[in-house]
Amino acid sequence: GDSVTQMEGPVTLSEEAFLTINCTYTATGYPSLFWYVQYPGEGLQLLLKATKADDKGSNKGFEATYRKETTSFHLEKGSVQVSDSAVYFCALSAPGIGGGSNYKLTFGKGTLLTVNP
Amino acid sequence: NAGVMQNPRHLVRRRGQEARLRCSPMKGHSHVYWYRQLPEEGLKFMVYLQKENIIDESGMPKERFSAEFPKEGPSILRIQQVVRGDSAAYFCASSPGHSSYNEQFFGPGTRLTVL
Repeated sequence: GDSVTQMEGPVTLSEEAFLTINCTYTATGYPSLFWYVQYPGEGLQLLLKATKADDKGSNKGFEATYRKETTSFHLEKGSVQVSDSAVYFCALSAPGIGGGSNYKLTFGKGTLLTVNP
Repeated sequence: NAGVMQNPRHLVRRRGQEARLRCSPMKGHSHVYWYRQLPEEGLKFMVYLQKENIIDESGMPKERFSAEFPKEGPSILRIQQVVRGDSAAYFCASSPGHSSYNEQFFGPGTRLTVL
């Protein structure tokens, strides 16, 4: 079945440091890929997405590129801020047998990021 | 435009009791999804509903769990005779429709603790 593996946390960085959170996937069919962020006490928010190979999703300084050859979708940010402290989830949705079921999101376990001033 | 609302935010039940979790989708959204997050795990799909219809319940445990999305009112996830293993965070999401891709908007979750 479909699965997502992302970097184990927690990750602790100083402000302005470079961030990478690795994410790889296994999927039947051709998945869409997502990064969600969850701030303390809140629901998940879509951070960025990519729907086909070599697409780059970007938002709020975060970027991730859909790499079909390595089945990866690593999240990067050049200079993190304290306000980026949150849990980050990599996720995919893939068509099931017959082309349906692409509404099901499959998530990684999440990576807790803490940014210190 | 209010986001997805879930209540209660925290729910404590003793083994054998019933738990009812409510989800009000965003205005204009007619598709609701429930996910469960067990400790140290990612979110897992449970069920997908449209108004008055269960579209896909392939992620729901076969016993004790049920979900509905009536014509009027919120979607309800019901867990009968709860056990300690049901302790988890339950997230609801909604979308305006179903197409090749529809962003799902998530609520803040209900944290269920079974004593």
